[in-house]
Amino acid sequence: DAGVIQSPRHEVTEMGQEVTLRCKPISGHDYLFWYRQTMMRGLELLIYFNNNVPIDDSGMPEDRFSAKMPNASFSTLKIQPSEPRDSAVYFCATGQGNSNQPQHFGDGTRLSIL
Amino acid sequence: QKEVEQNSGPLSVPEGAIASLNCTYSDRGSQSFFWYRQYSGKSPELIMFIYSNGDKEDGRFTAQLNKASQYVSLLIRDSQPSDSATYLCAVIKAAGNKLTFGGGTRVLVKP
Repeated sequence: DAGVIQSPRHEVTEMGQEVTLRCKPISGHDYLFWYRQTMMRGLELLIYFNNNVPIDDSGMPEDRFSAKMPNASFSTLKIQPSEPRDSAVYFCATGQGNSNQPQHFGDGTRLSIL
Repeated sequence: QKEVEQNSGPLSVPEGAIASLNCTYSDRGSQSFFWYRQYSGKSPELIMFIYSNGDKEDGRFTAQLNKASQYVSLLIRDSQPSDSATYLCAVIKAAGNKLTFGGGTRVLVKP
């Protein structure tokens, strides 16, 4: 079991640039969650998908953030344009069966916007 | 009031002792409760989950749930230095499927 795979592990870019974070879920997991973690706000849910369909995006901070899941094996979280306050660790997590089941996290992407 | 509250710590325990972590939640209808461990610079790792009132044991870890009092706790027996980490309590509320995390309790196990 390869686990949840995220890329890149680290990203440093200048403000105003587009940032794309990627996630490959565990095979067979039909729920996918994007989280953001900062010291100030802790771990926050941004959006989650079930069977590739976005279910709840109320945690997405603003229109600069967008997420897609074109198929069961891949999801992206995009920030355009990026701002320094977007600096955080972004985690992708996946789960199986129903959303009450435990979620398994990827290693995260550490994003720094200069 | 935060939806899921934890004492931020640090909780300092001597090696071999029992570490007791508490978590309270605001939504009385919450159904599912999880404990994650997160080492510095790493991702959260699932330790335990519990759905029913009472105790659930897994190795050195015991989760305790009291829905009437709206708290869930985690006991770590025979604490080891490798248990030093931040422990995150997470709850799925009755309405919706979101996993809401507490701020975490930092645990330090001293040899």
